[in-house]
Amino acid sequence: GDSVTQMEGPVTLSEEAFLTINCTYTATGYPSLFWYVQYPGEGLQLLLKATKADDKGSNKGFEATYRKETTSFHLEKGSVQVSDSAVYFCALSDTPDMRFGAGTRLTVKP
Amino acid sequence: GAGVSQSPSNKVTEKGKDVELRCDPISGHTALYWYRQRLGQGLEFLIYFQGNSAPDKSGLPSDRFSAERTGESVSTLTIQRTQQEDSAVYLCASSLATEGVNEKLFFGSGTQLSVL
Repeated sequence: GDSVTQMEGPVTLSEEAFLTINCTYTATGYPSLFWYVQYPGEGLQLLLKATKADDKGSNKGFEATYRKETTSFHLEKGSVQVSDSAVYFCALSDTPDMRFGAGTRLTVKP
Repeated sequence: GAGVSQSPSNKVTEKGKDVELRCDPISGHTALYWYRQRLGQGLEFLIYFQGNSAPDKSGLPSDRFSAERTGESVSTLTIQRTQQEDSAVYLCASSLATEGVNEKLFFGSGTQLSVL
């Protein structure tokens, strides 16, 4: 079945460092891909999405490009802030239900 | 309501007891999902409701788990004869899910279930 694999955490970075969180997927069809974020004490919320190959999703300085050839949707940010500390989930949706990765905890230190 | 509402926010129960968790989706959202998140782990899909269609129960881990939804409103997730392994955060989400394609899920804050 469809599934998502993302890099294990935790990830600890200094403020203004470059961030990459890897995500690869397995799907029989042509899924939409998503990154969700869970800030401390809050519920999951959509960060960005891409619905077809070569699309780039972006939001709050984060970007991810839908790469069909490598079945990947890596999350990147050029300069992280302390406020980016959260758990990040990669997800895919090929059918109406949505499947999530295990989550990657990011801690950004001042 | 303004968002997805779940109750209770915390539930402590004894092993062997039944529990019922409630989810109020965003008004007008036809799709409703239940996920389980064990400590330090990712989201585990449990069940999906879409309008009046038969629910996708493929993620339910055992026959102790069941869920119902009345139309496009409230859903309840019931766990019978709870076990310690059931301890987790149970998350509910809803979406518009137009044309069978999922665009965005809106999550509730979850119910933290602790089985002693």
